[in-house]
Amino acid sequence: ILNVEQSPQSLHVQEGDSTNFTCSFPSSNFYALHWYRWETAKSPEALFVMTLNGDEKKKGRISATLNTKEGYSYLYIKGSQPEDSATYLCASQYNNNDMRFGAGTRLTVKP
Amino acid sequence: DAGITQSPRHKVTETGTPVTLRCHQTENHRYMYWYRQDPGHGLRLIHYSYGVKDTDKGEVSDGYSVSRSKTEDFLLTLESATSSQTSVYFCAISPRTGIEQGELFFGEGSRLTVL
Repeated sequence: ILNVEQSPQSLHVQEGDSTNFTCSFPSSNFYALHWYRWETAKSPEALFVMTLNGDEKKKGRISATLNTKEGYSYLYIKGSQPEDSATYLCASQYNNNDMRFGAGTRLTVKP
Repeated sequence: DAGITQSPRHKVTETGTPVTLRCHQTENHRYMYWYRQDPGHGLRLIHYSYGVKDTDKGEVSDGYSVSRSKTEDFLLTLESATSSQTSVYFCAISPRTGIEQGELFFGEGSRLTVL
């Protein structure tokens, strides 16, 4: 069973706070790990793809790390802003077409 | 803009009726996917296509069929809709291959309610 777990389910932070959430995935047959950002009433948008153990990716104030040996990835947001409010999805890819998504972490940033 | 449109965007139907959702892309990408999204679950793959008339099952394919007679259109059909198929359906395309094939571009979703 290729369950991808994300924690916490939801998170409320104040503007300016830094925050992070976790994605756990089965590490056997791992191919790639994806993070998506999903704003309310919009479609999910790709943030990062990571493949190698120890990979780190950064886009502005958002960064992600990957540990394929223990099967987890962290997403960090530095200095959260209200526009960062969204659901953040991770997905573990096991071959070209087998992607398993977590249920997401819903982030709310209060002004 | 990945040029993906889904139709209809909203549909209410009754149990036992057939329903077809359409996904149209303007970019002629090879790979197209249908996902469903339910509260408490991640996006779950229903079926995908890797070319005209080439399709395969995903994680939750029971009760669904698909067709792809043209590169630009990928149809999802519920032959006899059930209440458990009430969901939001997302079409996605992948413009890349290999490891980056998982970088998906999603349509805006089709909300289906089966009464």
